[in-house]
Amino acid sequence: EPEVTQTPSHQVTQMGQEVILRCVPISNHLYFYWYRQILGQKVEFLVSFYNNEISEKSEIFDDQFSVERPDGSNFTLKIRSTKLEDSAMYFCASLRDAYNEQFFGPGTRLTVL
Amino acid sequence: GNSVTQMEGPVTLSEEAFLTINCTYTATGYPSLFWYVQYPGEGLQLLLKATKADDKGSNKGFEATYRKETTSFHLEKGSVQVSDSAVYFCALRPQETSGSRLTFGEGTQLTVNP
Repeated sequence: EPEVTQTPSHQVTQMGQEVILRCVPISNHLYFYWYRQILGQKVEFLVSFYNNEISEKSEIFDDQFSVERPDGSNFTLKIRSTKLEDSAMYFCASLRDAYNEQFFGPGTRLTVL
Repeated sequence: GNSVTQMEGPVTLSEEAFLTINCTYTATGYPSLFWYVQYPGEGLQLLLKATKADDKGSNKGFEATYRKETTSFHLEKGSVQVSDSAVYFCALRPQETSGSRLTFGEGTQLTVNP
């Protein structure tokens, strides 16, 4: 069964460093998402991506964040200058069309020291 | 705005006990409602869904009924197993489909003891 994969599973970084979280969505899916979950809190929407551009973003997704689909298979989330409060589990998801379910990856745990 | 509220956790049950995890929502119109489950070390998996009022979603012995009058989508299972131990998330997708973003509840940790 096709699945969404994410790498790395755990990333530790120093405050102020750039990180790139990688996702490989399911191959025939058209919509891509990033969510995050700070420990003990809700899963929160960050951004959605369709047709090679951002279709929606939350207030969390500020100028420090960017997304890219560089090669037609990977979908990346970049945080330019990490802050302590960026420590969270980051989930990637993909969707074939707007009326079906989102498939989630296993997540990347980001720890900012 | 849209929001989802789940019952306080964690929940600990003995095998074969009855499970209810409460979920209520706030949204305009008729959102689609979902329960996702996260097993240890894995991603979120769709457990069941309902897309219109009075629909009942069911899967693996779990059920939830979309109640528009009480804005609820409570998850139930008649007899839980140790393998059901996981975190359960209630979520909604707004009626307008722009981006199909999901809004999640807090998640409820379920532990089932043998």
